[in-house]
Amino acid sequence: QKEVEQDPGPLSVPEGAIVSLNCTYSNSAFQYFMWYRQYSRKGPELLMYTYSSGNKEDGRFTAQVDKSSKYISLFIRDSQPSDSATYLCAMTPTQGGSEKLVFGKGTKLTVNP
Amino acid sequence: EPEVTQTPSHQVTQMGQEVILRCVPISNHLYFYWYRQILGQKVEFLVSFYNNEISEKSEIFDDQFSVERPDGSNFTLKIRSTKLEDSAMYFCASSATNRVYEQYFGPGTRLTVT
Repeated sequence: QKEVEQDPGPLSVPEGAIVSLNCTYSNSAFQYFMWYRQYSRKGPELLMYTYSSGNKEDGRFTAQVDKSSKYISLFIRDSQPSDSATYLCAMTPTQGGSEKLVFGKGTKLTVNP
Repeated sequence: EPEVTQTPSHQVTQMGQEVILRCVPISNHLYFYWYRQILGQKVEFLVSFYNNEISEKSEIFDDQFSVERPDGSNFTLKIRSTKLEDSAMYFCASSATNRVYEQYFGPGTRLTVT
């Protein structure tokens, strides 16, 4: 089983739609869960992070973590064409453990005007 | 807003040659990282660096790779003898000491080995 799995898509939605992006993972040591946005041939841009289980909201973006199911989600409300990018989930163990981020393969999202 | 910068944006080299990729991390960050992304594949961790020494490295980071902080601002990745399979995007990242999960990435250097 891969450490982090993410459906690569592609995912195509109309402008204004609610987008749901997901990752599953196998390593129960992961405690911090991040979402990055990556435009073509650019570096990953940190959108938000969540510690342990729960929800976190930042504007149109909501991150959810369900540690019991080893499942994380990113929701984008009122999606815009500028949200078109590849979204990467990443995770890492507790602060003080490994520093490396383990990434999913990314989901390519296109928001159509 | 502070950001990580990387040079060059694109490097073409011949197999067997040495390359040095350069990064300027965010100024008050003390943890530095290198990741790579082969076209169409995941972003993969190579190495982390703290307090002038390697903190953690992956299996990919073999004897062909080395990292250095030659001065107070730059952080470099050296590949001694490049192979065709080293062709990838190389990303530098940095984080604050107490927030290592919050890593900020540079724009990347695209390395092409011919």
